[in-house]
Amino acid sequence: GQNIDQPTEMTATEGAIVQINCTYQTSGFNGLFWYQQHAGEAPTFLSYNVLDGLEEKGRFSSFLSRSKGYSYLLLKELQMKDSASYLCAVLDSNYQLIWGAGTKLIIKP
Amino acid sequence: DVKVTQSSRYLVKRTGEKVFLECVQDMDHENMFWYRQDPGLGLRLIYFSYDVKMKEKGDIPEGYSVSREKKERFSLILESASTNQTSMYLCASSPTGDGTDTQYFGPGTRLTVL
Repeated sequence: GQNIDQPTEMTATEGAIVQINCTYQTSGFNGLFWYQQHAGEAPTFLSYNVLDGLEEKGRFSSFLSRSKGYSYLLLKELQMKDSASYLCAVLDSNYQLIWGAGTKLIIKP
Repeated sequence: DVKVTQSSRYLVKRTGEKVFLECVQDMDHENMFWYRQDPGLGLRLIYFSYDVKMKEKGDIPEGYSVSREKKERFSLILESASTNQTSMYLCASSPTGDGTDTQYFGPGTRLTVL
């Protein structure tokens, strides 16, 4: 079956760095997405990786290793507004999105 | 600015009622999707549509139907609501084709079936 694994919850301190991991086992791979979802709000797009390596976008970076079935989202200089759930989703061989359950990130002052 | 709107943020219905959830996008997107989101589970795809009057079943279509009579509007219908359909329902749209496009989500409808 298809499976996306992410930690359920993580806690980090304002100003610090946090890495949210995502491992996947899917039938084929056509890219991996990260979305951010604040409580009670819609998910919003953060990044899309289809090639191995690190992509940086301001304070957020996303890494992909296709051979390991692994990605991470790196958040630097954490701010209180980064408290949210972070959703990992993989586009499988049928171009269908398979979603992880999300990681709830709690930022403490 | 991209916008996806959903008809209600909160909805309470009785078991057996017919429920309509409406979604409208103003971006001229081809693709529209209906998901449900439950605690501890990933988003699960109910139905999607790649064109007007076209629909495809997702992973959990049982108990649901959809309608897309106009490009901008995608409706989710619960023919006879049941308590296990209590959930957050999210609508999304994306421009075209193969799924590599970003999906834009509406704010969600939290449906409670009593």
